[in-house]
Amino acid sequence: EVQVVESGGGLVQPGGSLRLSCAASGFTFNTYEMNWVRQAPGKGLEWVSYINSRSDSIYYADSVKGRFTISRDNAKNSLYLQMNSLRAEDTAVYYCAKTSGWHNDYWGQGTLVTVSS
Amino acid sequence: EIVLTQSPGTLSLSPGEGATLSCRASQSVSSTYLAWYLQKPGQAPRLLIYGASSRATGIPDRFSGSGSGTDFTLTISRLEPEDFAVYYCQQYGSSPPYTFGQGTKLEIK
Repeated sequence: EVQVVESGGGLVQPGGSLRLSCAASGFTFNTYEMNWVRQAPGKGLEWVSYINSRSDSIYYADSVKGRFTISRDNAKNSLYLQMNSLRAEDTAVYYCAKTSGWHNDYWGQGTLVTVSS
Repeated sequence: EIVLTQSPGTLSLSPGEGATLSCRASQSVSSTYLAWYLQKPGQAPRLLIYGASSRATGIPDRFSGSGSGTDFTLTISRLEPEDFAVYYCQQYGSSPPYTFGQGTKLEIK
């Protein structure tokens, strides 16, 4: 069974940092692209970042570029999102999604990041 | 950046009725790159349709997708109670950002 499970969310002060993790199982992780998608409270979905299977193609939304870093460890079947210089507007549920072709076919349940003093 | 505009914002219908949801792109999107997702309250999004018209695994055939270029449609025939949720379209164009539409809320009338 395919599973992706996010962790690492929590309350952080503005300007602080947080590292999200996503543990993958049930599929050959090192052959799939992955994405992070977020959803602010009561709002729609916002694509955040993409990484291909070899980590040599990485993209970010303009809203996080220069502050967030996506990475993966294929040996550990894990995806990460390092978030620095956090702002109130980064408050959201962050989803990890397995990408198959050009769509996200499996999503985790999300981890909540709250940026507040 | 490709902007996806979904309409209507909210659709009020009764179980058993049919629903038509629209997703319009600000520039042409290959059908291969257009997907639809469903999200119920408190849950993660779930893939419904990919490649504009292919149903994902386990999705009943009352869901169908169509369209090309800048206009895409999700059609739900014979609404079931579990279909009332928020629906999003997303495009994976030739370059990022891989934008989502703002969503259509399908509510029980």
